[in-house]
Amino acid sequence: GEQVEQRPPHLSVREGDSAVIICTYTDPNSYYFFWYKQEPGAGLQLLMKVFSSTEINEGQGFTVLLNKKDKQLSLNLTAAHPGDSAVYFCAVRVITGNTGKLIFGLGTTLQVQP
Amino acid sequence: EAAVTQSPRNKVTVTGGNVTLSCRQTNSHNYMYWYRQDTGHGLRLIHYSYGAGNLQIGDVPDGYKATRTTQEDFFLLLELASPSQTSLYFCASSVDRGRNTEVFFGKGTRLTVV
Repeated sequence: GEQVEQRPPHLSVREGDSAVIICTYTDPNSYYFFWYKQEPGAGLQLLMKVFSSTEINEGQGFTVLLNKKDKQLSLNLTAAHPGDSAVYFCAVRVITGNTGKLIFGLGTTLQVQP
Repeated sequence: EAAVTQSPRNKVTVTGGNVTLSCRQTNSHNYMYWYRQDTGHGLRLIHYSYGAGNLQIGDVPDGYKATRTTQEDFFLLLELASPSQTSLYFCASSVDRGRNTEVFFGKGTRLTVV
């Protein structure tokens, strides 16, 4: 089945630095892509969703790039601050026939030090 | 407002016990999912459904049953709970609408099997 590889599993940066998380997927039937943030003890907060074959989306303090040719999705926090410390997950929606699954990467624990 | 409500939020049961986790969505979404989240494994898909009466097997289905009784309600059943099923369980709902595709998560149910 679909595999979503997410790296790195752990990332520690200083406040103001950038932080990049990359997900690579395998299934060509992958159509929708998501980034979630999970703070300790909390649920999943949607950061961004992307769909187009090559798309750059900018959110508040971060950029998401989708490259379908390379089957790669990335999240770039441009100037990290301590409030960004959390676990980040990518998720890929795979649609085959008339059914679809949402497959997650294993997550990246980001620590932003003051 | 989008909503996925899980109940209970916390549950402790004994080995061999019978547990039902409930999920209700009021988003008019056709898909619903059950995931478990464990350290080092991210979110793993247990079962999912694309409509009332439908059930699809996920990636880690062993020891779990599920039932989608209505468009709104999706239940996860552990008929003989084991300590290995101690986990944080998330329910989600989704609908595919191109750029308006939505995926919403519940707040999670923490299950402990002693």
